[in-house]
Amino acid sequence: GNSVTQMEGPVTLSEEAFLTINCTYTATGYPSLFWYVQYPGEGLQLLLKATKADDKGSNKGFEATYRKETTSFHLEKGSVQVSDSAVYFCAAGDNFNKFYFGSGTKLNVKP
Amino acid sequence: DTAVSQTPKYLVTQMGNDKSIKCEQNLGHDTMYWYKQDSKKFLKIMFSYNNKELIINETVPNRFSPKSPDKAHLNLHINSLELGDSAVYFCASSQEYSLNTEAFFGQGTRLTVV
Repeated sequence: GNSVTQMEGPVTLSEEAFLTINCTYTATGYPSLFWYVQYPGEGLQLLLKATKADDKGSNKGFEATYRKETTSFHLEKGSVQVSDSAVYFCAAGDNFNKFYFGSGTKLNVKP
Repeated sequence: DTAVSQTPKYLVTQMGNDKSIKCEQNLGHDTMYWYKQDSKKFLKIMFSYNNKELIINETVPNRFSPKSPDKAHLNLHINSLELGDSAVYFCASSQEYSLNTEAFFGQGTRLTVV
């Protein structure tokens, strides 16, 4: 079956550091890929998405590229801020509306 | 306007009780979900409904019963609550059968069983 694996956290960075959170997926077919962010005490919000190979999703300085050859969708940001502290979830969606989530990676950004 | 709203936000109850969580979406979506998030933040799908019909039921105990009176509502009823049911429950919705769609989540209901 489909599944998503992402790096375990927590990840602790200083402000303005470079961020990478790794995500790989296994799927039958070609799923859509998503990154969601969950701020403390809140629900999940879509951060970015990509629906086909080589697509790059981007939002708020975050980027991720759909790599079919490595079945990956790594999240990157060039310069993190304290306000980026949250839990980040990688997810894959199939065409039966089923979404598979990774285990989440907690990011702590220190001033 | 809240796109996906669920109530209550917090629920504290004793073992053995029966409780319900309500969810409503005003996005016009055809598909709604219930997810359970455990203390380690792991998200697991419980149910999915499409136009009031059950599509996904992921090995959830029979004590959990979803009810969809219309496609904008998906409520979750839990009988005989157990300590292990303590978690955050998220409702979500998405457009039907499209790869170019994402799930929209509610704010979550933190259930604590004591």
